[in-house]
Amino acid sequence: KQEVTQIPAALSVPEGENLVLNCSFTDSAIYNLQWFRQDPGKGLTSLLLIQSSQREQTSGRLNASLDKSSGRSTLYIAASQPGDSATYLCAVPNYGGATNKLIFGTGTLLAVQP
Amino acid sequence: DVKVTQSSRYLVKRTGEKVFLECVQDMDHENMFWYRQDPGLGLRLIYFSYDVKMKEKGDIPEGYSVSREKKERFSLILESASTNQTSMYLCASSWGFGTGRYNEQFFGPGTRLTVL
Repeated sequence: KQEVTQIPAALSVPEGENLVLNCSFTDSAIYNLQWFRQDPGKGLTSLLLIQSSQREQTSGRLNASLDKSSGRSTLYIAASQPGDSATYLCAVPNYGGATNKLIFGTGTLLAVQP
Repeated sequence: DVKVTQSSRYLVKRTGEKVFLECVQDMDHENMFWYRQDPGLGLRLIYFSYDVKMKEKGDIPEGYSVSREKKERFSLILESASTNQTSMYLCASSWGFGTGRYNEQFFGPGTRLTVL
């Protein structure tokens, strides 16, 4: 059974710092991995989807990497800003079962201090 | 851009009431999903639909039903609301099955439901 975990659960950094969020999954047979952002009381915003054949995906100040063999993905945020403060979630589709069902990580609550 | 909308941001209902939560997507997506999100429990899948009038149970379907009469609209129904259904409800959609970007999910803004 696929399990997804994220460490750390919470992170506080000063503005301008580069940071890395981690996502681990137990079953390396994944189609892709999706990173989301969630602001308090709001829905999820898709940030990046990295396919199983890719090692990296970039969007602006965000860079996601994927290492299937080790069951890990990282989300790198460059030059962090207070507006980046949110909860970040990673998710993988359920492989071999009900396709498209996403299995979510536990989330990392990020606070960027001005 | 993909747009997923939900009928209400906040909703307050009484125990025993029948509650309808509506979700509409404008990208001709095949798949639509309903999740609930609770502190400490994360996101849990209630139901999903992979075509009009087709539906599959998710992890926690008890106490809920769904309806998909048109491709763009997916409704979540609480037949008789109870206080333990107080939660944030999130709708999502994706193009379809398969690898690559087909199963990238896009979420609506959420509905915060309180059952008194």
